[in-house]
Amino acid sequence: AQSVTQLDSQVPVFEEAPVELRCNYSSSVSVYLFWYVQYPNQGLQLLLKYLSGSTLVKGINGFEAEFNKSQTSFHLRKPSVHISDTAEYFCAVSRTGNQFYFGTGTSLTVIP
Amino acid sequence: NAGVTQTPKFQVLKTGQSMTLQCAQDMNHEYMSWYRQDPGMGLRLIHYSVGAGITDQGEVPNGYNVSRSTTEDFPLRLLSAAPSQTSVYFCASRTGSNYGYTFGSGTRLTVV
Repeated sequence: AQSVTQLDSQVPVFEEAPVELRCNYSSSVSVYLFWYVQYPNQGLQLLLKYLSGSTLVKGINGFEAEFNKSQTSFHLRKPSVHISDTAEYFCAVSRTGNQFYFGTGTSLTVIP
Repeated sequence: NAGVTQTPKFQVLKTGQSMTLQCAQDMNHEYMSWYRQDPGMGLRLIHYSVGAGITDQGEVPNGYNVSRSTTEDFPLRLLSAAPSQTSVYFCASRTGSNYGYTFGSGTRLTVV
Protein backbone atom coordinates (compact mmCIF):
# COMPACT_ATOMS: atom_id res chain seq x y z
CA ALA A 1 0.00 0.00 0.00
CA GLN A 2 1.01 3.53 -0.66
CA SER A 3 1.96 5.80 2.24
CA VAL A 4 2.58 9.50 2.49
CA THR A 5 4.64 11.02 5.27
CA GLN A 6 4.53 14.66 6.20
CA LEU A 7 7.38 14.96 8.65
CA ASP A 8 6.30 18.16 10.35
CA SER A 9 2.89 18.42 11.95
CA GLN A 10 3.33 22.11 12.78
CA VAL A 11 5.53 24.74 11.15
CA PRO A 12 5.68 28.28 12.58
CA VAL A 13 7.39 30.86 10.41
CA PHE A 14 7.71 34.63 10.47
CA GLU A 15 6.02 36.71 7.84
CA GLU A 16 8.14 37.28 4.70
CA ALA A 17 10.45 34.37 5.62
CA PRO A 18 10.82 31.34 3.34
CA VAL A 19 9.16 28.05 4.19
CA GLU A 20 9.51 24.42 3.17
CA LEU A 21 6.91 21.78 3.99
CA ARG A 22 8.22 18.27 3.61
CA CYS A 23 6.50 15.29 2.00
CA ASN A 24 7.86 11.82 1.37
CA TYR A 25 6.05 8.91 -0.20
CA SER A 26 6.64 5.21 -0.57
CA SER A 27 6.50 3.85 -4.05
CA SER A 28 8.64 2.12 -6.59
CA VAL A 29 6.36 2.94 -9.49
CA SER A 30 5.29 6.10 -11.21
CA VAL A 31 3.01 8.28 -9.16
CA TYR A 32 1.12 11.51 -9.43
CA LEU A 33 1.75 13.99 -6.64
CA PHE A 34 -0.42 16.76 -5.25
CA TRP A 35 -0.42 19.47 -2.62
CA TYR A 36 -3.68 20.76 -1.16
CA VAL A 37 -4.37 23.69 1.15
CA GLN A 38 -7.17 23.89 3.69
CA TYR A 39 -8.04 27.27 5.17
CA PRO A 40 -9.92 27.27 8.50
CA ASN A 41 -13.43 25.86 8.25
CA GLN A 42 -13.14 25.23 4.53
CA GLY A 43 -12.64 22.30 2.20
CA LEU A 44 -9.38 21.41 0.51
CA GLN A 45 -8.16 23.30 -2.54
CA LEU A 46 -5.60 22.08 -5.03
CA LEU A 47 -2.35 24.06 -4.83
CA LEU A 48 -0.32 22.24 -7.46
CA LYS A 49 0.32 18.84 -8.97
CA TYR A 50 3.09 16.85 -10.59
CA LEU A 51 2.17 14.42 -13.35
CA SER A 52 5.33 14.20 -15.47
CA GLY A 53 7.97 16.36 -17.12
CA SER A 54 9.77 19.17 -15.31
CA THR A 55 10.46 18.29 -11.71
CA LEU A 56 9.77 21.84 -10.51
CA VAL A 57 6.08 22.56 -10.41
CA LYS A 58 4.59 25.99 -9.81
CA GLY A 59 1.19 26.42 -8.23
CA ILE A 60 -1.14 29.10 -7.01
CA ASN A 61 -0.33 31.77 -4.43
CA GLY A 62 3.41 31.68 -5.18
CA PHE A 63 3.96 28.10 -4.02
CA GLU A 64 6.15 25.62 -5.84
CA ALA A 65 7.21 22.03 -5.28
CA GLU A 66 10.06 19.87 -6.47
CA PHE A 67 9.70 16.22 -7.35
CA ASN A 68 12.74 14.16 -6.39
CA LYS A 69 12.40 10.60 -7.61
CA SER A 70 15.56 9.27 -5.98
CA GLN A 71 14.51 10.58 -2.57
CA THR A 72 10.79 9.93 -3.18
CA SER A 73 10.04 13.43 -1.99
CA PHE A 74 7.77 16.26 -3.08
CA HIS A 75 8.55 19.21 -0.81
CA LEU A 76 6.49 22.39 -0.98
CA ARG A 77 8.24 25.76 -0.85
CA LYS A 78 7.45 29.44 -0.82
CA PRO A 79 10.18 32.11 -0.80
CA SER A 80 8.22 34.65 1.25
CA VAL A 81 5.10 33.80 3.23
CA HIS A 82 2.17 36.05 4.09
CA ILE A 83 -0.24 35.99 7.00
CA SER A 84 -2.86 34.69 4.59
CA ASP A 85 -0.82 31.52 4.03
CA THR A 86 -1.72 30.32 7.52
CA ALA A 87 -3.53 27.04 6.81
CA GLU A 88 -3.27 23.26 6.84
CA TYR A 89 -1.34 21.73 3.95
CA PHE A 90 -1.80 18.18 2.73
CA CYS A 91 0.41 16.15 0.44
CA ALA A 92 -1.28 13.42 -1.62
CA VAL A 93 -0.18 10.63 -3.90
CA SER A 94 -2.04 8.81 -6.62
CA ARG A 95 -1.13 6.28 -9.24
CA THR A 96 -3.03 4.59 -11.99
CA GLY A 97 -6.04 3.17 -10.26
CA ASN A 98 -8.63 4.38 -7.86
CA GLN A 99 -6.92 5.37 -4.66
CA PHE A 100 -5.59 8.66 -3.42
CA TYR A 101 -3.39 8.65 -0.34
CA PHE A 102 -3.18 11.73 1.85
CA GLY A 103 -0.58 12.66 4.42
CA THR A 104 -1.63 13.68 7.90
CA GLY A 105 -1.15 17.36 7.16
CA THR A 106 1.16 20.19 8.20
CA SER A 107 -0.22 23.19 10.02
CA LEU A 108 1.56 26.32 8.80
CA THR A 109 1.31 29.33 11.09
CA VAL A 110 2.68 32.62 9.83
CA ILE A 111 3.74 34.93 12.66
CA PRO A 112 3.49 38.70 12.13
CA ASN B 1 -20.80 25.50 -12.16
CA ALA B 2 -21.25 24.72 -8.46
CA GLY B 3 -18.57 22.00 -8.16
CA VAL B 4 -19.18 19.65 -5.21
CA THR B 5 -22.10 20.54 -2.95
CA GLN B 6 -22.49 19.02 0.50
CA THR B 7 -25.47 19.33 2.79
CA PRO B 8 -25.95 19.94 5.63
CA LYS B 9 -22.98 22.02 6.79
CA PHE B 10 -23.58 21.24 10.46
CA GLN B 11 -25.48 18.46 12.20
CA VAL B 12 -25.93 17.25 15.77
CA LEU B 13 -27.18 13.71 16.26
CA LYS B 14 -28.04 11.64 19.28
CA THR B 15 -26.39 8.26 19.67
CA GLY B 16 -28.32 5.66 17.71
CA GLN B 17 -29.94 8.05 15.27
CA SER B 18 -29.46 7.63 11.55
CA MET B 19 -28.97 10.26 8.89
CA THR B 20 -27.77 10.83 5.35
CA LEU B 21 -25.11 13.28 4.31
CA GLN B 22 -25.78 14.51 0.82
CA CYS B 23 -23.17 15.08 -1.89
CA ALA B 24 -23.74 16.23 -5.45
CA GLN B 25 -21.34 17.24 -8.21
CA ASP B 26 -22.09 18.86 -11.54
CA MET B 27 -18.78 18.21 -13.31
CA ASN B 28 -19.63 14.76 -14.70
CA HIS B 29 -16.78 13.25 -12.65
CA GLU B 30 -16.50 9.48 -12.57
CA TYR B 31 -14.82 9.13 -9.20
CA MET B 32 -16.42 10.20 -5.95
CA SER B 33 -15.21 9.62 -2.43
CA TRP B 34 -16.11 10.29 1.17
CA TYR B 35 -13.42 11.19 3.67
CA ARG B 36 -13.51 11.96 7.34
CA GLN B 37 -11.07 14.37 8.91
CA ASP B 38 -10.05 14.06 12.53
CA PRO B 39 -7.36 16.02 14.40
CA GLY B 40 -3.90 14.54 13.90
CA MET B 41 -5.16 11.83 11.56
CA GLY B 42 -5.48 13.66 8.29
CA LEU B 43 -8.06 12.43 5.81
CA ARG B 44 -9.28 8.88 5.97
CA LEU B 45 -11.22 7.29 3.13
CA ILE B 46 -14.62 5.89 4.09
CA HIS B 47 -16.12 4.75 0.78
CA TYR B 48 -15.55 5.54 -2.85
CA SER B 49 -17.18 5.04 -6.22
CA VAL B 50 -15.69 4.75 -9.69
CA GLY B 51 -18.99 5.26 -11.48
CA ALA B 52 -22.73 4.94 -11.19
CA GLY B 53 -23.68 1.62 -9.64
CA ILE B 54 -20.14 0.86 -8.41
CA THR B 55 -18.99 1.46 -4.85
CA ASP B 56 -16.24 0.08 -2.67
CA GLN B 57 -14.95 0.35 0.86
CA GLY B 58 -12.09 2.54 1.93
CA GLU B 59 -9.99 2.56 5.05
CA VAL B 60 -12.75 3.16 7.64
CA PRO B 61 -16.09 1.92 6.25
CA ASN B 62 -17.71 0.48 9.39
CA GLY B 63 -20.93 2.20 10.37
CA TYR B 64 -21.41 3.85 6.96
CA ASN B 65 -23.24 2.93 3.78
CA VAL B 66 -23.13 4.50 0.34
CA SER B 67 -24.89 4.14 -2.99
CA ARG B 68 -24.32 5.68 -6.42
CA SER B 69 -27.49 5.56 -8.46
CA THR B 70 -26.48 8.52 -10.64
CA THR B 71 -23.19 10.08 -11.71
CA GLU B 72 -24.05 13.27 -9.84
CA ASP B 73 -25.03 12.02 -6.38
CA PHE B 74 -23.14 10.06 -3.75
CA PRO B 75 -24.93 10.09 -0.36
CA LEU B 76 -23.32 8.78 2.80
CA ARG B 77 -25.60 7.08 5.32
CA LEU B 78 -24.86 6.70 9.00
CA LEU B 79 -26.83 3.68 10.14
CA SER B 80 -26.72 4.15 13.92
CA ALA B 81 -24.65 7.13 14.96
CA ALA B 82 -21.94 6.72 17.59
CA PRO B 83 -19.82 9.37 19.36
CA SER B 84 -16.78 7.98 17.50
CA GLN B 85 -18.35 9.27 14.30
CA THR B 86 -18.04 12.85 15.46
CA SER B 87 -15.91 14.33 12.70
CA VAL B 88 -15.79 16.57 9.68
CA TYR B 89 -16.88 14.76 6.54
CA PHE B 90 -15.73 15.71 3.07
CA CYS B 91 -17.07 14.55 -0.24
CA ALA B 92 -14.76 14.81 -3.23
CA SER B 93 -14.87 14.02 -6.93
CA ARG B 94 -12.36 13.69 -9.76
CA THR B 95 -12.23 12.59 -13.34
CA GLY B 96 -9.12 10.41 -13.35
CA SER B 97 -6.09 9.36 -11.34
CA ASN B 98 -3.95 12.13 -12.81
CA TYR B 99 -6.47 14.77 -11.88
CA GLY B 100 -6.79 16.12 -8.39
CA TYR B 101 -9.90 15.89 -6.32
CA THR B 102 -12.40 18.71 -6.08
CA PHE B 103 -13.66 18.88 -2.51
CA GLY B 104 -16.93 19.99 -1.03
CA SER B 105 -16.95 22.43 1.87
CA GLY B 106 -17.58 19.71 4.44
CA THR B 107 -20.17 18.63 6.99
CA ARG B 108 -19.33 19.02 10.65
CA LEU B 109 -21.09 16.22 12.53
CA THR B 110 -21.37 15.91 16.28
CA VAL B 111 -22.81 12.81 17.89
CA VAL B 112 -23.83 13.19 21.52
